[in-house]
Amino acid sequence: GAVVSQHPSRVICKSGTSVKIECRSLDFQATTMFWYRQFPKQSLMLMATSNEGSKATYEQGVEKDKFLINHASLTLSTLTVTSAHPEDSSFYICSAPQYNEQFFGPGTRLTVL
Amino acid sequence: DAKTTQPPSMDCAEGRAANLPCNHSTISGNEYVYWYRQIHSQGPQYIIHGLKNNETNEMASLIITEDRKSSTLILPHATLRDTAVYYCIVSRFGNEKLTFGTGTRLTIIP
Repeated sequence: GAVVSQHPSRVICKSGTSVKIECRSLDFQATTMFWYRQFPKQSLMLMATSNEGSKATYEQGVEKDKFLINHASLTLSTLTVTSAHPEDSSFYICSAPQYNEQFFGPGTRLTVL
Repeated sequence: DAKTTQPPSMDCAEGRAANLPCNHSTISGNEYVYWYRQIHSQGPQYIIHGLKNNETNEMASLIITEDRKSSTLILPHATLRDTAVYYCIVSRFGNEKLTFGTGTRLTIIP
């Protein structure tokens, strides 16, 4: 099946810094990718839809100026958490669709100190 | 998208069939039933999907009731590696955003 990668797999940063997370579709092209966030013992919550060549679509309650999304090519979407704070610590997961399936990345665990 | 209801947790003995139920009583005629699972600290993995007919693949079988208001995912011979949270999701298209419920935490017992 199709493969989606994420980088880095885990990152620890200081409060107030920005962190960039990459999501790549390795063997297929994706005009759309999705970004989810998952807090401990909770389900995945959709944050935004990343659209190649256009602005991302954010879910209600997600700050677009804090979570910057750039879908620069058909195989790469990036999520930048700006001015990260401890409450942004979470597991961030991306997905890319192909045909009738969603292929998920392995996730990025962000810890903000 | 229609809402789904799943039991929060289930146990199954290793080697036995694991039957995971899902209720989706408000499903529309053009919505599919999708199943994904998430092993601890990993991204979700697609398992199977169906519209109204029963489906089977190398991982599992999906049984959908005739009125389509509920379905059952069957893992025929559960192994310890099947321990995960299983999500039943209703969606018109597999390539659109997915709404995850709370899922069922399946524990396979040796």
